[in-house]
This record gives sequence, C-alpha cells and structure tokens, in this order.
Amino acid sequence: DARVTQTPRHKVTEMGQEVTMRCQPILGHNTVFWYRQTMMQGLELLAYFRNRAPLDDSGMPKDRFSAEMPDATLATLKIQPSEPRDSAVYFCASGLWTSSTDTQYFGPGTRLTVL
Amino acid sequence: AQKITQTQPGMFVQEKEAVTLDCTYDTSDPSYGLFWYKQPSSGEMIFLIYQGSYDQQNATEGRYSLNFQKARKSANLVISASQLGDSAMYFCAMREVRNSGNTPLVFGKGTRLSVIA
Repeated sequence: DARVTQTPRHKVTEMGQEVTMRCQPILGHNTVFWYRQTMMQGLELLAYFRNRAPLDDSGMPKDRFSAEMPDATLATLKIQPSEPRDSAVYFCASGLWTSSTDTQYFGPGTRLTVL
Repeated sequence: AQKITQTQPGMFVQEKEAVTLDCTYDTSDPSYGLFWYKQPSSGEMIFLIYQGSYDQQNATEGRYSLNFQKARKSANLVISASQLGDSAMYFCAMREVRNSGNTPLVFGKGTRLSVIA
C-alpha cells in the first residue's frame, strides 16, 4: 500500500530555530504539494512542484520559508527562523500530473509547535 | 478566484442513518473538479470522492455519493448508513482544470461529523 511519508511527525522548537520537514512522495508520482493547516486559516497551499521544478510558491513567506526537491523521492520544507505563528500542521501530498481528475494523496502531516 | 463554502461547522447523525454535508463553490471557470476528503482525529487526510464539472452522473464510491447540482453550484456529500468510524472532519475542495493537470486544491473550512450510537 503506497503512502506518502513525512518526518518528523511532531516537532517542538523555540522561536528563531531552523525547522526542516521532509516528505517522501509515492513512488512514481511527479507532483508534490505542501499545504499548511491552522484553525484560523484552514488548509492553504504553500508550494508545489512538478517533476521537481517549483511551479508555485506564492503561498510561502519568502523571507523565512523555502521548499526544494533534491531528488524525485524527497521534498523538503524549511523555516528559518521559525516564529510562533508558524505553529500548524504541515501536509505533503503527491499525485500524478497526467489529468485534472487525478487526486492528491496526503501524508500524515508534521505537527509543528514553535514556542 | 475559487472559493469553497461549508456552512455546517458541526453535524450529528444517528448510526445507520444517512447524512448530507453541504458544500457550495464559486468559480468563473467552466471546467473544474470537486473533491471530498475525510480527516479523522488521527489527522490524516483521506480522499473520498471526485466529481468533474462535465460529468453527467453523480459520483458514487461505496457509501459515499456526491449530489452535484451545477446550476446551484453545490456539491453535497451524502454518506449512507453512517458508522461510528465516519466521525471525522470532512473537507470539500476544488480545482480548476485550466492546465488539465493535477493542480493545487482549494479547501473549505470543513464540517465536523459526529455519529451517535
């Protein structure tokens, strides 16, 4: 049963520290999304990639967030420096680009708490 | 711009009864896709069902069906024969089909469903 994996599942850090979240998309999926879920804003897109190339990162605070795909099996989301308002659940999702009917399969999420 | 509205913050349903979760959407594009996801207390997001804007028939997947009314811009999820395990948050989402690819989803705020024994 192919799944998207994310590490760590939980992260507690102090304001100002660097946070790195990792995602392994489903093998063969060429589209990767990063979403953030908060009580106030709900689920919102941060960035997404197709064939490892960034297509849209307009949802990310550029000064502190960065997203990359070093290879087809790894996507990373970094926050430096972290702030309390970054506390949220960060989801990675993957899918195939082939059709608009294709769904996105979500990982379990990384719950980030910034103190 | 796309927008999804879920007006029911919370719903209760008796076990074995059917329940309808409301979703209305707004888009200026003629082609779009509508999705429903389930998020149990464990936090994962589980894909349930998909409806394309040009699909003639309402989508069904097991106990889930999507009541698609295009003129009203509504895409309600119907769960038949509710089970205790259906208790979760349910999110309606959409994407425009402009690029004919797997583009980002826009989500509603969700409805929390509680199934009562």
